[in-house]
Amino acid sequence: DSGVTQTPKHLITATGQRVTLRCSPRSGDLSVYWYQQSLDQGLQFLIQYYNGEERAKGNILERFSAQQFPDLHSELNLSSLELGDSALYFCASSPRDRSAGELFFGEGSRLTVL
Amino acid sequence: DAKTTQPNSMESNEEEPVHLPCNHSTISGTDYIHWYRQLPSQGPEYVIHGLTSNVNNRMASLAIAEDRKSSTLILHRATLRDAAVYYCILRPYLMNRDDKIIFGKGTRLHILP
Repeated sequence: DSGVTQTPKHLITATGQRVTLRCSPRSGDLSVYWYQQSLDQGLQFLIQYYNGEERAKGNILERFSAQQFPDLHSELNLSSLELGDSALYFCASSPRDRSAGELFFGEGSRLTVL
Repeated sequence: DAKTTQPNSMESNEEEPVHLPCNHSTISGTDYIHWYRQLPSQGPEYVIHGLTSNVNNRMASLAIAEDRKSSTLILHRATLRDAAVYYCILRPYLMNRDDKIIFGKGTRLHILP
């Protein structure tokens, strides 16, 4: 158990809909990272937050947005869903922003868009 | 784009050592080399990391070339539970704003019983 909690574990929805994925980082971790993993693909970096502030942005679509709240949990919002958005979405946390510490990953949220 | 290059897949026999290579020719002086693995249906988990010297922990060993342009993750005695995708990534010691932690596709390790 990494200490990172992601909900929901599974989500099935239809094209055009909007969903919110939630991540609770390990206690005390200030950095949260979001990754997307499509079938047989590597981990695609989406976005990083540190203590509520956006730090780095990857290949995140304009239809997607994220935020980190004062209690440090983070949400990834996916809107106008398309079939290609079906993937595993992972959240990871780490204690700090500016160091090379390890990342702790959650078990992921599997999104299926029909 | 990933800053590391790994073979797509490798095979090894159970109970034999496994050497997983990673090339990172553009590594900078302050980049740490990290390895993660992803077991089936799970999130990635940390394996080991190092800067210049070889490193050992309970899971594996990390051998880093003298010029730091390549490294090798060593599993001393592979078990079926080691079948996973192994990712080699670089992390700057002090991350600047907009530094991204990029995972490539990793190496899928198959263990033969």
